Amino acid sequence: GENVEQHPSTLSVQEGDSAVIKCTYSDSASNYFPWYKQELGKRPQLIIDIRSNVGEKKDQRIAVTLNKTAKHFSLHITETQPEDSAVYFCAARYSGGGADGLTFGKGTHLIIQP
Amino acid sequence: EPEVTQTPSHQVTQMGQEVILRCVPISNHLYFYWYRQILGQKVEFLVSFYNNEISEKSEIFDDQFSVERPDGSNFTLKIRSTKLEDSAMYFCASSETSFRETQYFGPGTRLLVL
Repeated sequence: GENVEQHPSTLSVQEGDSAVIKCTYSDSASNYFPWYKQELGKRPQLIIDIRSNVGEKKDQRIAVTLNKTAKHFSLHITETQPEDSAVYFCAARYSGGGADGLTFGKGTHLIIQP
Repeated sequence: EPEVTQTPSHQVTQMGQEVILRCVPISNHLYFYWYRQILGQKVEFLVSFYNNEISEKSEIFDDQFSVERPDGSNFTLKIRSTKLEDSAMYFCASSETSFRETQYFGPGTRLLVL
């Protein structure tokens, strides 16, 4: 089955700086890669996702890049703000049909220092 | 914006008891999922459900677990005989038909088994 590794486990950046979180996956058949943000005690919220036919996707201060050959994908947050503090999870899924589950990474605790 | 809802928000039960966790997926969604998150750990896939049957299940989803769509709006997870290690946050998620990759999570039910 799929295995997703995520690094770092904790990331502390100064407000206004950029943050990068990296994930690798094992199943070359995986073709859908979402990122979720989870604030303490709350539900995971989808912030951005990318499909394997695209190398990069951007939404305002958030971007995701995908390298299919190396089987890794990254989340980039620019101009970080205090409200970006949360745990971020990457995930991967083979989306060939049916209701397939997501395989999550272990999460990155992002801390924005004022 | 429509959201997935779950009840109860918290459930405390004795080991060996049966529990039923309830979810109301987003109304036009046809793919449903259950995930669990043990405190401080990653989100883990349990089961997916489509067209009134299980589509995929993980190793965690053993014979003590079952899912059901009892009516047109609810989606339930039953744990027949709870164990201490079943203590976790249980998230329901749903996705559309056309864009079934994007999964939207409910707020979760925190289950504590004593």
